[in-house]
Amino acid sequence: DAKTTQPNSMESNEEEPVHLPCNHSTISGTDYIHWYRQLPSQGPEYVIHGLTSNVNNRMASLAIAEDRKSSTLILHRATLRDAAVYYCILDPQGAQKLVFGQGTRLTINP
Amino acid sequence: SQTIHQWPATLVQPVGSPLSLECTVEGTSNPNLYWYRQAAGRGLQLLFYSVGIGQISSEVPQNLSASRPQDRQFILSSKKLLLSDSGFYLCACARNYGYTFGSGTRLTVV
Repeated sequence: DAKTTQPNSMESNEEEPVHLPCNHSTISGTDYIHWYRQLPSQGPEYVIHGLTSNVNNRMASLAIAEDRKSSTLILHRATLRDAAVYYCILDPQGAQKLVFGQGTRLTINP
Repeated sequence: SQTIHQWPATLVQPVGSPLSLECTVEGTSNPNLYWYRQAAGRGLQLLFYSVGIGQISSEVPQNLSASRPQDRQFILSSKKLLLSDSGFYLCACARNYGYTFGSGTRLTVV
């Protein structure tokens, strides 16, 4: 399974942008980059995914490096409800399973 | 859209007792289904996945088993629980992109 590396924890302030990095140097050409987040005592929630181009949705933006060896999840204006563990996962096209790493625990300060 | 039902939300069981956790899915047919476990303060560990009725793949050898008796039903079982089986159990369903997760069952083995 292709591996991702994320910082264990990050901290930011409310109403400021947050940039969550993820390294995936062994990514292959058909691997999609997925982001999930898990709020306390809940199941993970899909955030966003992409392959090569940057992606935007109502929750976040995904910036993918040109060589695809890293990506950044961007929360444009963090709220207290964004405090969660964020997981960056590679999803090989056609794969039957997602393997989660340890993720980044994001703390938002009021 | 897909909906995953998991029950119970919390469960306290003595060591050596049996276990049966049920997951049912609505809003889709012939889904890939998954059981994950999350120990306290840890990441998600994939336990089992199923691509169809009666088809189970095990990711981690242990005293747990899974069954899929119907298309949208996935069951996690144990004949004799161990203390190490404590954790947060999550059922997930694959969709066009990414997964939908259930709300989880928090199991405490005492």
